[in-house]
Amino acid sequence: KNEVEQSPQNLTAQEGEFITINCSYSVGISALHWLQQHPGGGIVSLFMLSSGKKKHGRLIATINIQEKHSSLHITASHPRDSAVYICAVYSGGGADGLTFGKGTHLIIQP
Amino acid sequence: KAGVTQTPRYLIKTRGQQVTLSCSPISGHRSVSWYQQTPGQGLQFLFEYFSETQRNKGNFPGRFSGRQFSNSRSEMNVSTLELGDSALYLCASSLLTPDYGYTFGSGTRLTVV
Repeated sequence: KNEVEQSPQNLTAQEGEFITINCSYSVGISALHWLQQHPGGGIVSLFMLSSGKKKHGRLIATINIQEKHSSLHITASHPRDSAVYICAVYSGGGADGLTFGKGTHLIIQP
Repeated sequence: KAGVTQTPRYLIKTRGQQVTLSCSPISGHRSVSWYQQTPGQGLQFLFEYFSETQRNKGNFPGRFSGRQFSNSRSEMNVSTLELGDSALYLCASSLLTPDYGYTFGSGTRLTVV
């Protein structure tokens, strides 16, 4: 069973700061997802990665398959980025759905 | 294109009752997965359906069941509700498997009293 660790668990930063959230997993995967969850519950899929790096607007996600590690970066952070960010992995080959980290609670203060 | 639709959004039930939740996937998506989210346990995989067949199942008691219809819509059922079943239930759809991309619904918040 894959173990997914996220850090930090909580992060408060000032508007404009560069944010990094880390995710490590224990077993090889076929895909890693970064998810965003706002109060109220709905989850939005930000990125799906199997290698390398992806960028969307101010968000950048990277993955190092050899080190079993991924990072989510937010540049020029804004209060609307305040949310819970969740890393989830899929091991493939008929694995039991996604395995999730416990999430990072991010608060961006104006 | 329309997203993943879950109904109802909120539900209050009494211990011992049963409940049915519905999930309509993105058009063309054949895989529907269900997840339970609680403050204590976080997000946990319940089961996945693909082409009307349960393909995978998480570690939940038999009171949790589901099915998928020929149009890929899925329902999950929880019988003999317990207080601990209070949670946000999320479904997600994918074309084939989660490494083809994944779209989540807004969830159904179930409260058991």
